[in-house]
Amino acid sequence: GIQVEQSPPDLILQEGANSTLRCNFSDSVNNLQWFHQNPWGQLINLFYIPSGTKQNGRLSATTVATERYSLLYISSSQTTDSGVYFCAGPPGSNYKLTFGKGTLLTVNP
Amino acid sequence: DAGVTQSPTHLIKTRGQQVTLRCSPKSGHDTVSWYQQALGQGPQFIFQYYEEEERQRGNFPDRFSGHQYPNYSSELNVNALLLGDSALYLCASSLRSRINSPLHFGNGTRLTVT
Repeated sequence: GIQVEQSPPDLILQEGANSTLRCNFSDSVNNLQWFHQNPWGQLINLFYIPSGTKQNGRLSATTVATERYSLLYISSSQTTDSGVYFCAGPPGSNYKLTFGKGTLLTVNP
Repeated sequence: DAGVTQSPTHLIKTRGQQVTLRCSPKSGHDTVSWYQQALGQGPQFIFQYYEEEERQRGNFPDRFSGHQYPNYSSELNVNALLLGDSALYLCASSLRSRINSPLHFGNGTRLTVT
């Protein structure tokens, strides 16, 4: 099956700092998605981004499908950004998402 | 617009027991997928239900079974519980006709097996 690698595994920032999270896939991915899981376990869909770049407020994501990677940018980080960020995607057009192990982000005040 | 709802939020069971977890999909969604998330890991796909049938299944034993009702709500059943079944169980819903649409997750049920 498809392998999903995320880096870095852990990241500690001061409030206001910027960060870049990376996701590499072993195979082509049609439906790459980024999620944020808050400390209470709630998993929120941030981006559905099979290719190109999307922005939502302080967050943006870029997927380069031909090179099998995606980047999540967080600017001017806030303490509420803390949590685990996952990328996920299926090998084809289906709903069986394969998740990476996540990046644990801690934003300190 | 109601999102994905799961019940119960927490559950404690003993080894060998059986458990049923419930999920109501987001309004307008017809497909439900279940995921298991062990501590410190990403969610792992268990199975997916559409039109009241299991359509896809991940690498989970037959002790894990499910059901989908005509109103699209779904149940996850786990028999003969093992300590290793302790995890956060997440339900996700989507609309089948929009193949490339994002998944919406519920808040999960945290199962502890003692």
